Amino acid sequence: AQSVTQPDIHITVSEGASLELRCNYSYGATPYLFWYVQSPGQGLQLLLKYFSGDTLVQGIKGFEAEFKRSQSSFNLRKPSVHWSDAAEYFCAVGARGDMRFGAGTRLTVKP
Amino acid sequence: ETGVTQTPRHLVMGMTNKKSLKCEQHLGHNAMYWYKQSAKKPLELMFVYSLEERVENNSVPSRFSPECPNSSHLFLHLHTLQPEDSALYLCASSLGRGSNYGYTFGSGTRLTVV
Repeated sequence: AQSVTQPDIHITVSEGASLELRCNYSYGATPYLFWYVQSPGQGLQLLLKYFSGDTLVQGIKGFEAEFKRSQSSFNLRKPSVHWSDAAEYFCAVGARGDMRFGAGTRLTVKP
Repeated sequence: ETGVTQTPRHLVMGMTNKKSLKCEQHLGHNAMYWYKQSAKKPLELMFVYSLEERVENNSVPSRFSPECPNSSHLFLHLHTLQPEDSALYLCASSLGRGSNYGYTFGSGTRLTVV
């Protein structure tokens, strides 16, 4: 069965700094990969997804993610973080089955 | 109204109460899901409905009882809950069953069992 690991529980970055959130997955073939964001008191919003093709995926809000098969990773990046990016970020993996989520990484943005 | 709507947003119930959570979507999606989100744990998939039929039940205790009367509505009936059931319950929908479709989530119901 597929699984996903987010190694960082909490990350703090300064506003304007770059961001990278890590995600590692376990699956025998190329899975479908997703990043979601959850603001306090809200549900999850899809940032971007990877199914196949170009390994660098662009998403909403200026986020991008790169699929690296050799490392079984799908890290999320943003060149310059805004205070409004403070939230919980979830990586998810799926195949023919249903989506499985990582435990999340909480992002704090310092002024 | 578009998107996935969950009601109530907050619920406090005693262990002997019976209550229901409601989820509604007007996206034309055919699959609906219940997830449990507890602090510092991954989202737990509880139930999956596809075309109004339950297709997955992930060993969820019987004190949680789902109902899907039509493709737009999903309920989670609760009875004799335990304090450890306190969590955020999220509903999601997708065009079809399977993760190749994007999921649209509701804002969740924050449940507190006292």
